[in-house]
Amino acid sequence: DTGVSQDPRHKITKRGQNVTFRCDPISEHNRLYWYRQTLGQGPEFLTYFQNEAQLEKSRLLSDRFSAERPKGSFSTLEIQRTEQGDSAMYLCASSNYPAGSNEQFFGPGTRLTVL
Amino acid sequence: GNSVTQMEGPVTLSEEAFLTINCTYTATGYPSLFWYVQYPGEGLQLLLKATKADDKGSNKGFEATYRKETTSFHLEKGSVQVSDSAVYFCALSDLQGGYNKLIFGAGTRLAVHP
Repeated sequence: DTGVSQDPRHKITKRGQNVTFRCDPISEHNRLYWYRQTLGQGPEFLTYFQNEAQLEKSRLLSDRFSAERPKGSFSTLEIQRTEQGDSAMYLCASSNYPAGSNEQFFGPGTRLTVL
Repeated sequence: GNSVTQMEGPVTLSEEAFLTINCTYTATGYPSLFWYVQYPGEGLQLLLKATKADDKGSNKGFEATYRKETTSFHLEKGSVQVSDSAVYFCALSDLQGGYNKLIFGAGTRLAVHP
């Protein structure tokens, strides 16, 4: 068990460009979450998958954001037409429901800087 | 809506001092409560949790008790070490909608000096 992995760890982009992040959850985990953490704040929920189904999106997730989990394993988070306000750490977490249903395991995050 | 409030940091202590980081919450229903820790350059790690009132979570010398009457989940450690320097996040598990997204506080930075 290698834990939750995220790629890339750091991304610097220019305003207006599109970026895509990948998350690989712990292999037997059926739930996958995306959070965003800005400097000096706690993580904020963005969206959640159970297997391949995206079951909720936060109001924080504007139309420029899209997330997928096509085969119920890895997930991608895409941001189109990035803005400086998108600069943040994007965290992925996974859990196994119903066993251990309340414990989420976090990846190291992808730090996005929009210039 | 549900929310978590933590004491503001940074908290600066000398090694072997007693630590308390206050956390209070607002929630409907009966959420689970968590403390996560983020060491420099690393991801969030679960430190301890409690799933019902009066439960005490403990790990690595840290403890927190789920107090429903005061809606609190304060983190304590009797003797901190330099290696405990990190950011600590209190969180609750939002059970609305039948799943468990986490709602975090803003975090409290702890700096322990020799």
